[in-house]
Amino acid sequence: KAGVTQTPRYLIKTRGQQVTLSCSPISGHRSVSWYQQTPGQGLQFLFEYFSETQRNKGNFPGRFSGRQFSNSRSEMNVSTLELGDSALYLCASSPDSNPNSPLHFGNGTRLTVT
Amino acid sequence: GIQVEQSPPDLILQEGANSTLRCNFSDSVNNLQWFHQNPWGQLINLFYIPSGTKQNGRLSATTVATERYSLLYISSSQTTDSGVYFCAAKAAGNKLTFGGGTRVLVKP
Repeated sequence: KAGVTQTPRYLIKTRGQQVTLSCSPISGHRSVSWYQQTPGQGLQFLFEYFSETQRNKGNFPGRFSGRQFSNSRSEMNVSTLELGDSALYLCASSPDSNPNSPLHFGNGTRLTVT
Repeated sequence: GIQVEQSPPDLILQEGANSTLRCNFSDSVNNLQWFHQNPWGQLINLFYIPSGTKQNGRLSATTVATERYSLLYISSSQTTDSGVYFCAAKAAGNKLTFGGGTRVLVKP
């Protein structure tokens, strides 16, 4: 089985621009969650989707948004980028509706904002 | 929300040594996971262990839910064990919260 696939792996953007990151979960997994990792704040939860519905949301400003498609693929969008948005963005999938299932992470997208 | 603290923050081991990493959490949890982040950034799920003990090769983990802590044991460490180990915990109805991690360096 292919693992969680995140694209692109690396991204460089300028302040004020917007960016869209993509995540394809493991085949058969219906839950997708997103995390931001920075040296200062560590790993922080962004949001979680199950069956195209947002199930939980972290404490991030409205510039961070996401969605999930009927094939379980998910995208997250960050608008009006700030320097502090530079981070490794990680996506994880889990197999079922149980919010306590083990998570399987992708390799991440490293975003640099200049 | 739940607080998750890991200790020690850094650990340097000689190859072959054993070690114990600790994770304390501030509330009752129904989800506790251990991850290893390799130097390339990928997080690998090691254990899903809200309670009890599990073993997988040289790694084992124990969670004592009533006392709000979990331990990860690494035996006969190898250089490939280097990286950052995270525990993450979730209380009912809340989001999964990660600890600050333990950075492990295994020297040959």
